[in-house]
Amino acid sequence: SQKIEQNSEALNIQEGKTATLTCNYTNYSPAYLQWYRQDPGRGPVFLLLIRENEKEKRKERLKVTFDTTLKQSLFHITASQPADSATYLCALDIRNNDMRFGAGTRLTVKP
Amino acid sequence: DTGVSQDPRHKITKRGQNVTFRCDPISEHNRLYWYRQTLGQGPEFLTYFQNEAQLEKSRLLSDRFSAERPKGSFSTLEIQRTEQGDSAMYLCASSALAGGWNEQFFGPGTRLTVL
Repeated sequence: SQKIEQNSEALNIQEGKTATLTCNYTNYSPAYLQWYRQDPGRGPVFLLLIRENEKEKRKERLKVTFDTTLKQSLFHITASQPADSATYLCALDIRNNDMRFGAGTRLTVKP
Repeated sequence: DTGVSQDPRHKITKRGQNVTFRCDPISEHNRLYWYRQTLGQGPEFLTYFQNEAQLEKSRLLSDRFSAERPKGSFSTLEIQRTEQGDSAMYLCASSALAGGWNEQFFGPGTRLTVL
């Protein structure tokens, strides 16, 4: 069956450390993958997109990798801050720009 | 244009009643999506439109759910004979498919509580 799995429901880290979130998928062949941030009671907000032929993409303190052999994407936040605390969702393009979302990982950055 | 808007933001209804939600996408966006999200889960795809055409509907969507997008602008999602299991956040998103990449812009959602 098709699955999108994000590591642990919750991740707690200390301010200043690097947060690493994982998105694994099975039985999909996405042309690209996206990461979104969601704060409580609000809709998700787009952060980054990475295509199947790209290994890595960066934006400020964010870095995303995409390994189509392992069927995995890693999302890194460097020099984390308490304001980075939120739920982070990965989303796959499954066909024709139709997206499917993982359950998300709730990140808490402690001061 | 300030983004995707949804109305109402909250809806409390009794089991068996019908409810209708509205979504106004970003004006130049041709794609519009409906998702349902429950606590601790990611958005679950319900259906999407390209312009006024409904291109896909989730198999999880029962026949109590119907969506429309007349004239390819705003969309409505109706749930008939609501059940307690329908309680969730209903999210709408739109996208322009600019450059072929489907960055979705989400609305604030409508939280439905079925008593």
